[in-house]
Amino acid sequence: DMKVTQMPRYLIKRMGENVLLECGQDMSHETMYWYRQDPGLGLQLIYISYDVDSNSEGDIPKGYRVSRKKREHFSLILDSAKTNQTSVYFCASSHQGGQNTLYFGAGTRLSVL
Amino acid sequence: GQQVQQSPTSLVLQEGENAELQCNFSTSLNSMQWFYQRPGGSLISVFYNPSGTKQSGRLTSTTVIKERRSSLHISSSQITDSGTYLCAITNMGYKLTFGTGTSLLVDP
Repeated sequence: DMKVTQMPRYLIKRMGENVLLECGQDMSHETMYWYRQDPGLGLQLIYISYDVDSNSEGDIPKGYRVSRKKREHFSLILDSAKTNQTSVYFCASSHQGGQNTLYFGAGTRLSVL
Repeated sequence: GQQVQQSPTSLVLQEGENAELQCNFSTSLNSMQWFYQRPGGSLISVFYNPSGTKQSGRLTSTTVIKERRSSLHISSSQITDSGTYLCAITNMGYKLTFGTGTSLLVDP
């Protein structure tokens, strides 16, 4: 069906709480991404995953970690969330990385109070 | 420094007018993509165009590698074209670098 699904769509957390953002895709893409989008800063790459248990830091990995135990699922974890992690988080997937079209999820709007 | 720069930052058109959006990059290019984003929405791929010209309906993308630029032409703009257009490149590996986008508003 060529879909990237993100859960939850909206999330409010208090500073110091742990956050789990989930992403799934049904295209058997080996490459998956986590980006955050902030006004004036555009999209910034947090982590990239080349396949199961093969993850690499992006441009802004500090404060985040990821998990990919199945090809179709890619999780973003914020341990002890901070207020500056309030943002919109997008997951994306593609076949062979940027060499093919990227498919994005609908995004998760996270507020850390 | 900034690897991907888009211009203009914002653009207002009357319905029916044409638009030309530019994407300039400071590094060598491996791939180039254009995305569309409605306010508060997700990103939708418009073109995967690492070189040459591609057309889809009223949209045309032209990438000239040696000049390090890509353009997105929208002809006969419609209100539903309003939103943000982002370009993204890879120069090595799988990491895409995005521009900060062009915000387009088409008025009736």
